[in-house]
Amino acid sequence: EAQVTQNPRYLITVTGKKLTVTCSQNMNHEYMSWYRQDPGLGLRQIYYSMNVEVTDKGDVPEGYKVSRKEKRNFPLILESPSPNQTSLYFCASSAGGSLSGYTFGSGTRLTVV
Amino acid sequence: KNQVEQSPQSLIILEGKNCTLQCNYTVSPFSNLRWYKQDTGRGPVSLTIMTFSENTKSNGRYTATLDADTKQSSLHITASQLSDSASYICVVSLISNFGNEKLTFGTGTRLTIIP
Repeated sequence: EAQVTQNPRYLITVTGKKLTVTCSQNMNHEYMSWYRQDPGLGLRQIYYSMNVEVTDKGDVPEGYKVSRKEKRNFPLILESPSPNQTSLYFCASSAGGSLSGYTFGSGTRLTVV
Repeated sequence: KNQVEQSPQSLIILEGKNCTLQCNYTVSPFSNLRWYKQDTGRGPVSLTIMTFSENTKSNGRYTATLDADTKQSSLHITASQLSDSASYICVVSLISNFGNEKLTFGTGTRLTIIP
């Protein structure tokens, strides 16, 4: 089944403790992206990657890092999480091109205390 | 500033009834417009994608319309079912100067279907 898999689904952590949220897709998609979703706001892009070793900032990149060493994986790294990074995070992938569909993961609900 | 505004914020209707959700956008240059369905706690799932030249696109009981002149879109749901209870998100796409596609998301309409 074609899918984007995120782990973990839920995570509670303390301020300053480094964490990684993994994202993997099995569709051989070139394009991958991370979003955060907060109440009353639309999804906002954090980082995106157009191919292996090619990443760029989205609209809200502060406090996040990403890497794209393999085509299928696109982990999101929070080096020093803060409470304002408490949010629902989604990874998405696409084959690329303006009419390509985006497949979203099931989400990771992160709470930073 | 590129924006996507949706109305209403929330809507409650009886099972079997029809409803229409609205989307206004100021995104430019426009590439395409998408409607997504998002169940609570899940990722968005694509319903329709429309380009500038398309006025309407259907997917089962879902029909999306687009008026690129007025920058408005609507999603019409026919004969609603309990499983239609979800948030519906309007997403407008543009192609950036760097050639990559950038999506602007609306905040969604929360639809509740009651028996």
